[in-house]
Parts: sequence; structure tokens; C-alpha cells
Amino acid sequence: ETGVTQTPRHLVMGMTNKKSLKCEQHLGHNAMYWYKQSAKKPLELMFVYNFKEQTENNSVPSRFSPECPNSSHLFLHLHTLQPEDSALYLCASSPSTGKYEQYFGPGTRLTVT
Amino acid sequence: DQQVKQNSPSLSVQEGRISILNCDYTNSMFDYFLWYKKYPAEGPTFLISISSIKDKNEDGRFTVFLNKSAKHLSLHIVPSQPGDSAVYFCAASGGDSWGKLQFGAGTQVVVTP
Repeated sequence: ETGVTQTPRHLVMGMTNKKSLKCEQHLGHNAMYWYKQSAKKPLELMFVYNFKEQTENNSVPSRFSPECPNSSHLFLHLHTLQPEDSALYLCASSPSTGKYEQYFGPGTRLTVT
Repeated sequence: DQQVKQNSPSLSVQEGRISILNCDYTNSMFDYFLWYKKYPAEGPTFLISISSIKDKNEDGRFTVFLNKSAKHLSLHIVPSQPGDSAVYFCAASGGDSWGKLQFGAGTQVVVTP
């Protein structure tokens, strides 16, 4: 595997379910990010981790819970989501935070019913 | 408040001609700018970047121009090819957004034969 991978690619969940999104990067980077992309809207930064430490929570509701066990893996735990949380969730990584381009995974298309 | 704006949601250009994509920003503290390209069902792919100490950066068919006084950047693609048909996002960071990318909403480019 190369680059940034995300699983699952598609997820349908009910509002009472608990699920997790997984991201793995094989680039040796130290910073990882979660973004949300809703239809016709810009990518919205959700969380930033640098060297496994969370450095940014962009006022994300607590029903989204990130976890970064090491610099290569990032999870987004989901529970009691709302239909308006349906979106494309993108993971990205970069060598560190700062003036670096970020490399994105293919995303997880989430539908909340 | 959206700090990075792409006011043209779509652009159609003939193969072989020049594609010009525009992006405006409001935060004068931004000092690093990037362009990404996104195909359907894939994550954004980094194309080219520019630091605020420069006003032009070129990489093959792609050139980014930065006009700091106008808070405007543009991406030129010459010559345009059918494989360039995608959504293009501009992004910026700096100031209180240091280490975080602020994205525009994207421009859908269609290159016609």
C-alpha cells in the first residue's frame, strides 16, 4: 500500500449506530488531518494531529471523536450522528504541520439515515 | 466566514487552449497557497504551490500567479488536455491559520475535444 488509505470507502449508518472510520498513511509523515466535505461546500478542517498530539479541534461536535494511536494511523469514531452529518470524510497527512502540501486519501462517503 | 473564494463554479475549455482558474482570499496573513485537483471518487491531489515571497511558480503545464496586493491567485493550465477535466481547489494557510489549510469551494473544469 502506498500513500494514504481510508476504510471503509462507503458507509451507511443509522442515527443510533456507532461506527469508526480508519485512515492509514505510508508516507512517513507526522501530521494527520480529518476534513469534511459536504455537497457544494469547501473542505472543512475538523481535527489536526501532529506527532500523535491533537493540535486542532475546529469546533467539531462531540459525536465525532478522533483517535491517533501513532503517526501512521488516524481514526474517527462516530456515534449518534445526524442526517446532516452525511458527507465525504477525507483524511490527509503531511510531513508536519506548517508550509507543507497535504496528501489526501480517497475519502469515506458517509450516509446517515 | 469563508476566507478563500472561488467564484466560478465551472469552466469549459477546448483541448489545447489555456485554462485560467481564479481564487480570491480575504486574510492578508495568508502566506502559502496551493492548488489541488480532484477526480470523482478520489481524494484531492496536490498540484502546485506558491509562497508569498514569490509572484509566480511554474511546473510543466501548470503555472500559479500570486497578486498579493489584490489578494488574488490564479492557475494557468497550458495546453489543456482531456485528463485535466476535474474539480480544482485553491487553498491557503498562514497567520492564525498557520498549519491549517483553508479551501475554496472548487471550480469544475471540463476540457472538450
